[in-house]
Amino acid sequence: SYVLTQPPSVSVAPGKTARITCGGNNIGIKSVHWYQQKPGQAPVLVIYYDSDRPSGIPERFSGSNSGNTATLTISRVEAGDEADYYCQVWDSSSDHPVFGGGTKLTVL
Amino acid sequence: QVQLQESGPGLVKPSQTLSLTCTVSGGSISSGSFFWSWIRQPAGKGLEWIGRIYTSGSTNYNPSLKSRVTISVDTSKNQFSLKLSSVTAADTAVYYCARVGRFGELGYWGQGTLVTVSS
Repeated sequence: SYVLTQPPSVSVAPGKTARITCGGNNIGIKSVHWYQQKPGQAPVLVIYYDSDRPSGIPERFSGSNSGNTATLTISRVEAGDEADYYCQVWDSSSDHPVFGGGTKLTVL
Repeated sequence: QVQLQESGPGLVKPSQTLSLTCTVSGGSISSGSFFWSWIRQPAGKGLEWIGRIYTSGSTNYNPSLKSRVTISVDTSKNQFSLKLSSVTAADTAVYYCARVGRFGELGYWGQGTLVTVSS
């Protein structure tokens, strides 16, 4: 089945830019979605269809997808952005969603 | 605004069947071309997809759980349900229900419910 690979952790200073990658075989032809999950809370969709933002998600969150890597970019990082982030695609061959292993974003 | 809420026992004995219900509010479960899914997350671990259902009753399950999972829908109650049989401690997790959007994104989630498998 399709596999998505994320770095376990990313650290960034406040005000800087965080980039979280999601690797997969030819992921560029798939729609990638990103979720933010804070401790004790349900995941929240922050990016869908590679780069679209649901209503209420700050413009600081953006996404891109090409080749074998999708990237979630968080600009002007705030302390409140500290969370686990998961990428997800829909695997058409098995007709079900596949999640990356998650990346813990630490704001220094 | 669509809202989802999981309900069911928080404690299940080993070998028994875990049963959860997801109640959808803020819209009809039958409106639009949406799938409805169950996902779980063991403590400190990542997200695992369990399965999904369409309001026609069509289902698809995670192959690793397929032999033990049944997902059903009751459109009259605006609910869908999960049954997981022969549970073990490895099934202890927070269970979420969610709506699948047109691009395969999980746009709406319930708050999650912790199910512990223990005697």
